[in-house]
Amino acid sequence: DTGVSQNPRHKITKRGQNVTFRCDPISEHNRLYWYRQTLGQGPEFLTYFQNEAQLEKSRLLSDRFSAERPKGSFSTLEIQRTEQGDSAMYLCASRPSGASTDTQYFGPGTRLTVL
Amino acid sequence: KNQVEQSPQSLIILEGKNCTLQCNYTVSPFSNLRWYKQDTGRGPVSLTIMTFSENTKSNGRYTATLDADTKQSSLHITASQLSDSASYICVVSPMDSNYQLIWGAGTKLIIKP
Repeated sequence: DTGVSQNPRHKITKRGQNVTFRCDPISEHNRLYWYRQTLGQGPEFLTYFQNEAQLEKSRLLSDRFSAERPKGSFSTLEIQRTEQGDSAMYLCASRPSGASTDTQYFGPGTRLTVL
Repeated sequence: KNQVEQSPQSLIILEGKNCTLQCNYTVSPFSNLRWYKQDTGRGPVSLTIMTFSENTKSNGRYTATLDADTKQSSLHITASQLSDSASYICVVSPMDSNYQLIWGAGTKLIIKP
């Protein structure tokens, strides 16, 4: 399968714990995006990488959130000291730069439940 | 403020019937407008994409229209199937942004047999 993959698919944690999610984009897609989606809402932009450079961060990304893409391939999103309000679906998307359209290809998401 | 609003919030129709979902946006200028289909618990999948100069685009039983003057788009689904049950999200790309997409909240469509 050459689509965007995310792991784990589901994560249940207790409030105050740290969690880390992984995203593997489509090979050769140099742009990578993280979104958060709550029930009944569209995805909310969190952050964006071009290769290994993090070019933009939403104000939604508090200092408890950090994202990395060290080698310009896979990316990780870490949430420290989780809160119940962090419960959501975390989506990753990728796309190539220079494409004629800017369609983003989404992974299946990681559903986080904070108890 | 750039916004995308969709209606209805949810819709239930019988299998085989047609339906039309609406999207109003205030994003201006914009480069393109997309409709995504999102199955429950899955990531969104692109259905159609239209630039500001296009006014219709089809993908099988899905037909999207765009009126840039009134800032409205619609997604028409013909001969609905049970597998069409999903959320349909309207997404607009602002002209001046390299990364930011403006997402609607989606319309939840349920097809009943």
